[in-house]
Amino acid sequence: GAVVSQHPSWVICKSGTSVKIECRSLDFQATTMFWYRQFPKQSLMLMATSNEGSKATYEQGVEKDKFLINHASLTLSTLTVTSAHPEDSSFYICSWGAPETQYFGPGTRLLVL
Amino acid sequence: RKEVEQDPGPFNVPEGATVAFNCTYSNSASQSFFWYRQDCRKEPKLLMSVYSSGNEDGRFTAQLNRASQYISLLIRDSKLSDSATYLCVVPRYGGATNKLIFGTGTLLAVQP
Repeated sequence: GAVVSQHPSWVICKSGTSVKIECRSLDFQATTMFWYRQFPKQSLMLMATSNEGSKATYEQGVEKDKFLINHASLTLSTLTVTSAHPEDSSFYICSWGAPETQYFGPGTRLLVL
Repeated sequence: RKEVEQDPGPFNVPEGATVAFNCTYSNSASQSFFWYRQDCRKEPKLLMSVYSSGNEDGRFTAQLNRASQYISLLIRDSKLSDSATYLCVVPRYGGATNKLIFGTGTLLAVQP
């Protein structure tokens, strides 16, 4: 149980394009979900917390107009990296649940050329 | 001071060795702690939760020292499959959202 999927698992795109990452909880529902990113040799950094039907709460330093979060149901959330640049290249991971019980997706590796 | 600090390693140990990692945290009010394991290019996976003085699960033992504000993870009889990055994680409550704070991780390489 508690399976989370992410799609795509990896993506390569040109600078200036937008990329959408989908995160689904497959066998459970949760109101709250989280988006993280991880740069090489660094730890997971929380980007935003999202509650279904509400606007996401972004961490300091994360531009909400650049990283658009759509969380329309208890099982699906999307993160769109708009006008991606090479510095946005990272490992993006989503998770669902409460802080102490989070179920992580397998991650999406983004490379912006 | 960082909220959660770990020695990045790497710790290179032979199979069968016992290895310990430490993690310090800054918020003295923290009540729960977690050790996650992350394999290369994969998502983190929960290894152990620590709510009181410690926890033990097979070869893995986690201990909490509230006075000194550190958590340790002890791995006995290391296996090759234990090679991974071990993340110390502390929840933060209050403010706009409740969240997990991840340490930078300690890299363990178990050698044959």
